[in-house]
Amino acid sequence: QQQVKQSPQSLIVQKGGISIINCAYENTAFDYFPWYQQFPGKGPALLIAIRPDVSEKKEGRFTISFNKSAKQFSLHIMDSQPGDSATYFCAATFGGTSYGKLTFGQGTILTVHP
Amino acid sequence: KAGVTQTPRYLIKTRGQQVTLSCSPISGHRSVSWYQQTPGQGLQFLFEYFSETQRNKGNFPGRFSGRQFSNSRSEMNVSTLELGDSALYLCASTLQGEHEQYFGPGTRLTVT
Repeated sequence: QQQVKQSPQSLIVQKGGISIINCAYENTAFDYFPWYQQFPGKGPALLIAIRPDVSEKKEGRFTISFNKSAKQFSLHIMDSQPGDSATYFCAATFGGTSYGKLTFGQGTILTVHP
Repeated sequence: KAGVTQTPRYLIKTRGQQVTLSCSPISGHRSVSWYQQTPGQGLQFLFEYFSETQRNKGNFPGRFSGRQFSNSRSEMNVSTLELGDSALYLCASTLQGEHEQYFGPGTRLTVT
């Protein structure tokens, strides 16, 4: 199975709060898990990515937590800001010559209220 | 470095026509992947080209095709357009040996 399931579909957070988006995958061959941020009228922008040999990766206010045994990973946005309001996609792919093929989750529309 | 560029940005076509979209990758990137984005189906992988060869293919009908040139620029073609082909078509480029895909702004195709 190539599917990646993402939740929630939409999320409303107050400024300064923590936004949490979850993803689950089925294919244990996946070994690279990026998160993308997309603003209206723009293409997705790479935010942060993780490999399965690491349980957590932090870049600024963005953290990925990875649970290999549960086949789940999540994005945490600390101190959420109105400028973070966008659609977020998790994705997964696997190695060799297949890194060019990303399987995406359905997306989460994040709204951060001031 | 300039980012991924896609032309045209917007396109309106009639059912039954064909369309060609263009993608110029980041300088030095040799892999180009194409995706279709719709509200209903989300982001779906179409195909990937590397060194002028199709390396991966998604589950789309044969009406969707692509190619890559020696300068790594890529085109995708959709023949016999259907209303359901209305979507944002995105391309992304990757540096050889790396995993990060960098997306362009997309081409918005509307089929009437």
